[in-house]
Amino acid sequence: DSGVTQTPKHLITATGQRVTLRCSPRSGDLSVYWYQQSLDQGLQFLIQYYNGEERAKGNILERFSAQQFPDLHSELNLSSLELGDSALYFCASSAQGGRGTGELFFGEGSRLTVL
Amino acid sequence: GENVEQHPSTLSVQEGDSAVIKCTYSDSASNYFPWYKQELGKGPQLIIDIRSNVGEKKDQRIAVTLNKTAKHFSLHITETQPEDSAVYFCAAYREGGSYIPTFGRGTSLIVHP
Repeated sequence: DSGVTQTPKHLITATGQRVTLRCSPRSGDLSVYWYQQSLDQGLQFLIQYYNGEERAKGNILERFSAQQFPDLHSELNLSSLELGDSALYFCASSAQGGRGTGELFFGEGSRLTVL
Repeated sequence: GENVEQHPSTLSVQEGDSAVIKCTYSDSASNYFPWYKQELGKGPQLIIDIRSNVGEKKDQRIAVTLNKTAKHFSLHITETQPEDSAVYFCAAYREGGSYIPTFGRGTSLIVHP
């Protein structure tokens, strides 16, 4: 158990809809990362938050947004969903945002299926 | 930004054989090179890492080597077992300060009993 909790584990929805994925980081970790894993694809970085503030942005679509709340949990919002958004979405946390160890702790992912 | 290439995409071995997965990176400023194992239905989990001040690191049946000059690093698994079957990801990034962990595309390792 990594200590990172993601909900829901599975989600099936229709094109055009909006969903919210939730992540609770490991206790004490200030950094949260969101990654997308599509079939035969690696881990594509979407966005990072550190202590409530956006720290880095990857190839995140404009239809997607995220935020980190004061209690450090994070939410990834996906809107106007398309078939191609079907993927496994991982949240990871780390203590690092400044200096320290670089290990990422991953949740078990949220599998999104868009029909 | 950093670019990580990983090969092979699929590796099939017999139990007891060795397995080698190779990665190259592009950013010479990267100084941290972890390897993650993703079992079916689970999130990736760190299995071994190496920092740029070390050339090789070993943990039981797993070892990682780093060649900074050539910008490549490798994962070596000896005496493979069926439970080693999983997807393995390499990553490269700069520890400390602002960084984005960049991952390779993954290697699906299949160990046949």
